[in-house]
Amino acid sequence: QITLKESGPTLVKPTQTLTLTCTFSGFSLSTSGVGVGWIRQPPGKALEWLALIYWDDDKRYSPSLKSRLTITKDTSKNQVVLTMTNMDPVDTATYYCAHKRSGCFDYWGQGTLVTVSS
Amino acid sequence: QLVLTQSPSASASLGASVKLTCTLSSGHSSYAIAWHQQQPEKGPRYLMKLNSDGSHSKGDGIPDRFSGSSSGAERYLTISSLQSEDEADYYCQTWGTGIGVFGGGTKLTVL
Repeated sequence: QITLKESGPTLVKPTQTLTLTCTFSGFSLSTSGVGVGWIRQPPGKALEWLALIYWDDDKRYSPSLKSRLTITKDTSKNQVVLTMTNMDPVDTATYYCAHKRSGCFDYWGQGTLVTVSS
Repeated sequence: QLVLTQSPSASASLGASVKLTCTLSSGHSSYAIAWHQQQPEKGPRYLMKLNSDGSHSKGDGIPDRFSGSSSGAERYLTISSLQSEDEADYYCQTWGTGIGVFGGGTKLTVL
C-alpha cells in the first residue's frame, strides 16, 4: 500500500524559505520509472505542479518557479524534500506530494496548508 | 505550449450520467492524461489514466461508474448513476517534455 505524508511549517513569514518533507512508504524511489512530485493549491484555486524528482535523481521544475525551488531525495529515509525561497503571501496554499508513474500522479498525500504572513 | 482546458462547471441530476471534457492544446492530441477527483475539503484522488485511443486504467477502488474515452484532442470522463458523493472538483493532468500540467478543474454539482 502506497502512502505519502507531507510535513513542515504551517506558517512562514514573507521572504523566508519554506522547507517541506514528503515521507512515503509502499514503494522505493530507487525503482526505475518512479518519481515523487510536489503540487500546490491556493485556497479556492486549481492545482499547480511545482517540481518532480525521479528515481535516477533527474529533477524537473515548473518554469515559472524554477529559480525558487529545490527538490532532493533521501532514498534511505524514503523522503523527498522541497525548498522554496523568498516566500510571499501569494504562496499561501495547501502543498501536496504525490507518487508519479507513467505520466500520472497516482497516489497523493493528504496535503499540508502553508500560510505566508508576517 | 502544453495546456489542458476544462469547463469551470457542470451539473447533472442524481442517478443520471455526466460527461466531463478535458481538451489538449494544439499539437498534443496524442498525449495521455490522468483524471483526478477532489471532494470538498479533501485532497485529490487519482481516478484513471486515459490514453489517446480511449483505453484507460483506473486507480485502486475506483467504481465501474467512472469511465474514460477519447476523441482527437478531447479526453472525457463519464460518471454514470451519479451519487451525491460524486459532487466534487475534477482535474485532468498530463506530463510533457519534463513538465507537469493540470487543467483548471471542473466543479461538478449533483442536483
